[in-house]
Amino acid sequence: NAGVTQTPKFQVLKTGQSMTLQCAQDMNHEYMSWYRQDPGMGLRLIHYSVGAGITDQGEVPNGYNVSRSTTEDFPLRLLSAAPSQTSVYFCASSRTSGGHSSTDTQYFGPGTRLTVL
Amino acid sequence: AQKITQTQPGMFVQEKEAVTLDCTYDTSDPSYGLFWYKQPSSGEMIFLIYQGSYDQQNATEGRYSLNFQKARKSANLVISASQLGDSAMYFCAMREYNTNAGKSTFGDGTTLTVKP
Repeated sequence: NAGVTQTPKFQVLKTGQSMTLQCAQDMNHEYMSWYRQDPGMGLRLIHYSVGAGITDQGEVPNGYNVSRSTTEDFPLRLLSAAPSQTSVYFCASSRTSGGHSSTDTQYFGPGTRLTVL
Repeated sequence: AQKITQTQPGMFVQEKEAVTLDCTYDTSDPSYGLFWYKQPSSGEMIFLIYQGSYDQQNATEGRYSLNFQKARKSANLVISASQLGDSAMYFCAMREYNTNAGKSTFGDGTTLTVKP
């Protein structure tokens, strides 16, 4: 199993450009989420999905869109990049959102380091 | 109010000694899970240990144990016999199953440095 994969690993954008961060998992997990991590801080939830066709907003959704057409893929789209979106982006997946056991843990991708100039 | 509070931005420990990393949480949901993750300088997030709100016993995983005090809403991570490879950032996180659709909230982390 590849687990959770993210592409690209690094990206530099100019202000106003758009792009899509790709995320895929091969564990048949229902729950997927996107986080951003700013320097010296914890992870903040951007968007999440509890299954194919279902998405919802997290703590910091502005400027980002998501879609979930398949169980495996959960891309994150930056609509018009701003310097404030410079961050490391993590995608994560878990078996469920309410299994109430250690199998509930989220598995993280390696992250995408995004710089917006 | 912050849902997850990690009050120690940085901690130092001597190799082979034990260290406790603090985590307090705030929730009114009776059904929740608490997680600890390790983030080494390479950047990946590594799951360490889990504690469920209904679990009667403290979780243990090898050298990691979780000191769960439900009434005080604390979930401290104890690392025994520290190793140089334990130097990393450690995050406490909570998933609330009833009131928050299973979304996770993370603390700001504690940077642990193990001294030889």
